[in-house]
Amino acid sequence: DQQVKQNSPSLSVQEGRISILNCDYTNSMFDYFLWYKKYPAEGPTFLISISSIKDKNEDGRFTVFLNKSAKHLSLHIVPSQPGDSAVYFCAASGAGANSKLTFGKGITLSVRP
Amino acid sequence: KAGVTQTPRYLIKTRGQQVTLSCSPISGHRSVSWYQQTPGQGLQFLFEYFSETQRNKGNFPGRFSGRQFSNSRSEMNVSTLELGDSALYLCASSLGGLVKNNEQFFGPGTRLTVL
Repeated sequence: DQQVKQNSPSLSVQEGRISILNCDYTNSMFDYFLWYKKYPAEGPTFLISISSIKDKNEDGRFTVFLNKSAKHLSLHIVPSQPGDSAVYFCAASGAGANSKLTFGKGITLSVRP
Repeated sequence: KAGVTQTPRYLIKTRGQQVTLSCSPISGHRSVSWYQQTPGQGLQFLFEYFSETQRNKGNFPGRFSGRQFSNSRSEMNVSTLELGDSALYLCASSLGGLVKNNEQFFGPGTRLTVL
């Protein structure tokens, strides 16, 4: 049972344009959401997070939007740069029994120069 | 400040053998979590240790076990290896553990190949 879903396995965008990475979740007990970026041969690195009390969090070129009613979040990267090419994982957690991080399968972003 | 280190980086074993992987967290971090990454399944949570106690556990068989030492270093053991255990095993450390939604810092992983 995949509680965090990243339905598109890959995304390709032109340098300078916007990248939109989507993530859906099914567990209504999740209240904290994170995005991680992973380069080959390295561990994932934390990118940005959002609590369920907010619907938007921005950090430089990265913005995460949360739509709780739709159980959907998205990561926007503007403008996209070739160095952003990596695998992006969406993750979620909640309290108590849901406190462990549950990851999606990841999406491979390619930014074309 | 040194990051999370994992040893060994690469490992080749045969079916039926057992393997022990090691993780040293960032100094001062008391929580260590282990994940399995495979191409088809993404990152799957194995377990979390905090102050030498297992605090959370994922849905993996009992062949997968772990422990944490008083210096917060952690080891993960897989017994009776199967071909499907071939994966990248990632360790992550954080200050307060998962219950406080602390940011997790990942190590580079150990690539295990089972032949």
